[in-house]
Amino acid sequence: EAQVTQNPRYLITVTGKKLTVTCSQNMNHEYMSWYRQDPGLGLRQIYYSMNVEVTDKGDVPEGYKVSRKEKRNFPLILESPSPNQTSLYFCASSLTRVQPQHFGDGTRLSIL
Amino acid sequence: AQSVTQLGSHVSVSEGALILLRCNYSSSVPPYLFWYVQYPNQGLQLLLKYTTGATLVKGINGFEAEFKKSETSFHLTKPSAHMSDAAEYFCAVSASMDSSYKLIFGSGTRLLVRP
Repeated sequence: EAQVTQNPRYLITVTGKKLTVTCSQNMNHEYMSWYRQDPGLGLRQIYYSMNVEVTDKGDVPEGYKVSRKEKRNFPLILESPSPNQTSLYFCASSLTRVQPQHFGDGTRLSIL
Repeated sequence: AQSVTQLGSHVSVSEGALILLRCNYSSSVPPYLFWYVQYPNQGLQLLLKYTTGATLVKGINGFEAEFKKSETSFHLTKPSAHMSDAAEYFCAVSASMDSSYKLIFGSGTRLLVRP
């Protein structure tokens, strides 16, 4: 089954404790992206990747890092999380720039 | 630069009534336009997209949207609402001539369907 898998689905942690949210897709997609969803703001793009070792900033990259060492994986790293990063996060992938994005089920992060 | 405005954060319709969700975009180059739907506790799934060609685009579940360049709009419609259409809907835009993968979403419209 074609899917984008995010882990963990839920996480409560404290300010400053480094965390990683993993994202893996099994569709051999070139393009991958991370979004955060906040009430009233819709989805905002954090980082995206157009191929292995090719990443670029979206609209809200501050406080986040990503890497793309393999085509299937695109982890999101919060080196020093802060409460304003409490949000619902989605990973997505697509075969080309205009093909439909396949979304994961989301990761709800709470930073205390 | 691109931007998207969705008019109405909440829309309520009766079952069987027309659904109209409004989306206006701003783009300095020809846009690619998308509508996504999000059901509770799920990720987003694509309803339909406009890239080039026919301006009336048909999608899944009976939805369609019309790209109107003169009005910079891409409104989503469905002739007859079903209870299962209750969800949050997002319009999104990207730049056709941009080699990046940037995608700008609107703030969303939550659709309520009354019995």
